[in-house]
Amino acid sequence: AQKITQTQPGMFVQEKEAVTLDCTYDTSDQSYGLFWYKQPSSGEMIFLIYQGSYDEQNATEGRYSLNFQKARKSANLVISASQLGDSAMYFCAMRANAGGTSYGKLTFGQGTILTVHP
Amino acid sequence: DAGVIQSPRHEVTEMGQEVTLRCKLISGHNSLFWYRQTMMRGLELLIYFNNNVPIDDSGMPEDRFSAKMPNASFSTLKIQPSEPRDSAVYFCASSLTAGSNEKLFFGSGTQLSVL
Repeated sequence: AQKITQTQPGMFVQEKEAVTLDCTYDTSDQSYGLFWYKQPSSGEMIFLIYQGSYDEQNATEGRYSLNFQKARKSANLVISASQLGDSAMYFCAMRANAGGTSYGKLTFGQGTILTVHP
Repeated sequence: DAGVIQSPRHEVTEMGQEVTLRCKLISGHNSLFWYRQTMMRGLELLIYFNNNVPIDDSGMPEDRFSAKMPNASFSTLKIQPSEPRDSAVYFCASSLTAGSNEKLFFGSGTQLSVL
């Protein structure tokens, strides 16, 4: 079974500072993908960044980077130079490419609410 | 390009009524997911289709819930009869393939309120 754990229900950061949102995962599959999504107060789910289990480099997308530590099964999201518009709920998710009923499904963590202060 | 399209955006109904939520996938995508989001339970996967075939429906709460893909680009999620505890935001999402590296594209969601 797949499990995603986000231990920070809420985080606060000052504008222009960097913030790290924690995510740990558990899976017995060897091939999997890790994703981060942002959900602002308007409700839509916005894809931010992806990391493959076999990728040797940490993924980066603009101000977003993923600190991938495979041995620790962690995939923390780092947001640099925080902006007021970054205030939102952030979800970590995993998609495992295994046979059977878990094939390809995306499992989400409980989310972290990030608040950026001016 | 049009994204995943869900309708209606908001649905208010009375307990016992039938509710049908609709979803149009992005053209060319072959994997479809229905999720339910509540404050208490977060994002729950209800059912997942690949190439129009239901792969995993273990998240469907009970027999009152049913989902179909009558064709490759369209899906419905039906609740009959609806109950107040079904109130939630229901998201539909699609991906190009079922691979572990494929991101999901989400619709805007349907906010369901059952009174």
